[in-house]
Amino acid sequence: DTGVSQDPRHKITKRGQNVTFRCDPISEHNRLYWYRQTLGQGPEFLTYFQNEAQLEKSRLLSDRFSAERPKGSFSTLEIQRTEQGDSAMYLCASSSSVLAGPIAATQYFGPGTRLLVL
Amino acid sequence: DQQVKQNSPSLSVQEGRISILNCDYTNSMFDYFLWYKKYPAEGPTFLISISSIKDKNEDGRFTVFLNKSAKHLSLHIVPSQPGDSAVYFCAAYSGGYQKVTFGTGTKLQVIP
Repeated sequence: DTGVSQDPRHKITKRGQNVTFRCDPISEHNRLYWYRQTLGQGPEFLTYFQNEAQLEKSRLLSDRFSAERPKGSFSTLEIQRTEQGDSAMYLCASSSSVLAGPIAATQYFGPGTRLLVL
Repeated sequence: DQQVKQNSPSLSVQEGRISILNCDYTNSMFDYFLWYKKYPAEGPTFLISISSIKDKNEDGRFTVFLNKSAKHLSLHIVPSQPGDSAVYFCAAYSGGYQKVTFGTGTKLQVIP
């Protein structure tokens, strides 16, 4: 299976702890996106990479959040000093910009990491 | 600023009937519109898309209609099946910003 994978699927942590999530995109995709989803809302954009370059960060992404994509393959999202408001589903998606049009627009999502901060 | 809006949080439809899910947007610069389906505890799954220069796209039981003058699109599912029960997200892609903006979702329940 060459879909998007995320690890872990679930994470429970205590307030103030640091957590790190990993995303492995579809191998031929050069773009990778991170989203956050809370109950009753759609996925909210956090940040995205084209290859290894982080091209945009949402203002939702406070300085406690950092994302990396070394070598343009997998990506990690770290949250430092977690707060209860960080509890959410963190989704990763990938897409390809090699061809324009609908292929560039279509993002494929992983199963998500559900974070609960106690 | 909610650029993509789904005003109906839920919809119930009888099996075999048509399901119509609606979406409104405010930004005329979107290039593509997409629909995703999401089951609980899973990530969204791409369903169908439409270019901003088209007014209809069909894929099997799923058809998306785009009315640019009204900044409105809809997803029609015919016939509806119990397995279609999920949350449906409308999304819009801007090539200039290389980002997708999602609506808040509509929970569809297809009753057997």
